[in-house]
Amino acid sequence: EAGVTQFPSHSVIEKGQTVTLRCDPISGHDNLYWYRRVMGKEIKFLLHFVKESKQDESGMPNNRFLAERTGGTYSTLKVQPAELEDSGVYFCASSQVGTGRRKNEQFFGPGTRLTVL
Amino acid sequence: QKEVEQDPGPLSVPEGAIVSLNCTYSNSAFQYFMWYRQYSRKGPELLMYTYSSGNKEDGRFTAQVDKSSKYISLFIRDSQPSDSATYLCAMSGRGGGNTGKLIFGQGTTLQVKP
Repeated sequence: EAGVTQFPSHSVIEKGQTVTLRCDPISGHDNLYWYRRVMGKEIKFLLHFVKESKQDESGMPNNRFLAERTGGTYSTLKVQPAELEDSGVYFCASSQVGTGRRKNEQFFGPGTRLTVL
Repeated sequence: QKEVEQDPGPLSVPEGAIVSLNCTYSNSAFQYFMWYRQYSRKGPELLMYTYSSGNKEDGRFTAQVDKSSKYISLFIRDSQPSDSATYLCAMSGRGGGNTGKLIFGQGTTLQVKP
């Protein structure tokens, strides 16, 4: 079974440009999460989808970030326009719907390393 | 104040040593406690999962949760060079408000020297 995949693995863009990150969750996982780690800080929650619906987007830093999950399969996270402080590693995770361990056991992708110059 | 505090280290130990990693937290609503292991340039991998208080053992790894002290620990026995990684504690809430959103500690970098 394939794990969570993310594309690209690394992106270098200039301030003001647009970048779109993609996440493919494990097949059958309705929960999909985006997290971000900036240099020297802890991994922080950005948002949570259940299928195509946003359940919690309390961690999204501002309206330059837009996440979508059309059809409840893969998800994209667009940053437009990118700022220097957006640099970091963006992780996607997925889990099954349910309670307890089923929901809380999140499987992480390898991350996309975003560098904004 | 951060919800979860974790000493970033680095922590360096000789092969075969017992390693103790820990986190403290402030939110009494946390009910699910996890330890993730992250190798360089990889995503976090779930290592241990504990619900509420108590101990859990899996091979060389033991996780402990003390909710009264808001303190969790991970012990690694007979540490191996392959255990060298960053260890992240993570927690989430309970009840209807539990969306599975994880709150992470900063991670502790562990190096096990042969």
